[in-house]
Amino acid sequence: GAVVSQHPSWVICKSGTSVKIECRSLDFQATTMFWYRQFPKQSLMLMATSNEGSKATYEQGVEKDKFLINHASLTLSTLTVTSAHPEDSSFYICSARGEQVRNQPQHFGDGTRLSIL
Amino acid sequence: EDQVTQSPEALRLQEGESSSLNCSYTVSGLRGLFWYRQDPGKGPEFLFTLYSAGEEKEKERLKATLTKKESFLHITAPKPEDSATYLCAVQVGGNTPLVFGKGTRLSVIA
Repeated sequence: GAVVSQHPSWVICKSGTSVKIECRSLDFQATTMFWYRQFPKQSLMLMATSNEGSKATYEQGVEKDKFLINHASLTLSTLTVTSAHPEDSSFYICSARGEQVRNQPQHFGDGTRLSIL
Repeated sequence: EDQVTQSPEALRLQEGESSSLNCSYTVSGLRGLFWYRQDPGKGPEFLFTLYSAGEEKEKERLKATLTKKESFLHITAPKPEDSATYLCAVQVGGNTPLVFGKGTRLSVIA
């Protein structure tokens, strides 16, 4: 089945550090990628949607200058949390979807646990 | 506003005790309803897509059904390894992101 690889799986860093998370589709071309944030025992909250070669579309309340998204190729998207603070600590999950053939499902990476000290 | 509501929030079953999880939705136009399984510390794993009322899909002990207002995930004779959070999501437009429910946390006790 479709595989989405997310790296790193776990990050601990000091406040003020910028952290980059990579999301790769391994066996399909991801025309659209999505970034989610998930708090404990909560569902996934969509942060932004990105299409290859275009600027990302951010959900209301998500700071685009704080969470930089780059989708430079059909297999790679990155999320950079700039000048991270403790309140940015969370579980970040990327998702990718291929071409819109009969509503292909979104496939998810295994998430990145971000802890800011 | 498109909404997805899952119930119950948590469910505890004995091994072998069959049950159903519910996902009710209110959307402007359903293009697809999706079920995912999420284990702690992992991303959601795709299970099923349902497109139209009356459709059913099965995978091992799981069976998903769809009506015009809700979907059920039936679990037959569950095993402890079926313990996970089950997420329901809908897609309502072309290349739009999924709208997720809050999930049902299932625990199957041996």
